[in-house]
Amino acid sequence: DIQMTQSPPSLSASVGDRVAITCRASQSISFYLNWYQQKPGEAPKLLISTASNLHTGVPSRFSGSGSGTDFTLTIKSLQPEDFATYYCQQSYSSPQTFGQGTKVEI
Amino acid sequence: QDQLVQSGFEVKKPGASVKVSCKASGYTFTKYGISWVRQAPGQGLEWMGWISANDGNTIYAQSLQGRVTMTTDTSTSTAYLELRSLRSDDTAVYYCARRRSDALDVWGQGTSVIVSS
Repeated sequence: DIQMTQSPPSLSASVGDRVAITCRASQSISFYLNWYQQKPGEAPKLLISTASNLHTGVPSRFSGSGSGTDFTLTIKSLQPEDFATYYCQQSYSSPQTFGQGTKVEI
Repeated sequence: QDQLVQSGFEVKKPGASVKVSCKASGYTFTKYGISWVRQAPGQGLEWMGWISANDGNTIYAQSLQGRVTMTTDTSTSTAYLELRSLRSDDTAVYYCARRRSDALDVWGQGTSVIVSS
């Protein structure tokens, strides 16, 4: 199975900050990497698919980059509604494993 | 709009089975597969498997092999997850999600399953 490792596990930030979350795969997954946002009590929501494609309706302050084994989710200017937990997921091979999550807190 | 609506809260005893439903609307059901993901209390997301809504092909997580069955009913645009021989560590919120272009783009609201004697 492909292991996905996110860092940091949590971070504290302020409104307006630039935030970067990284995700590392245990083997190359090409660009088959997705990012999701989850708020407490809610289902996850797709932010970015295949490493860098912004999902419909997602604000442009979110961006994704990377390929192979190393990927980054960047939030350009953190907004109050962005405080949540973020997960990466590889869709290169089954099982389509998730990272352990990064909690973004105030 | 494209939507997945799941069945309600379940409480089961250890050793029992549970069957969760996921009804799709707003799109052609057979065009995309359905993945199932679960989340134990306070934990991260665990991919459970995938079913093609077109031909019923399935891929299951190795850790659940033998206990899990995913099915679809194309006449009602509904996907089902059955998990047998429930244990306390199966207590989780279970999500269905549409798989489109290698990502999970539409999610159900989640079904909470509690396993307790």
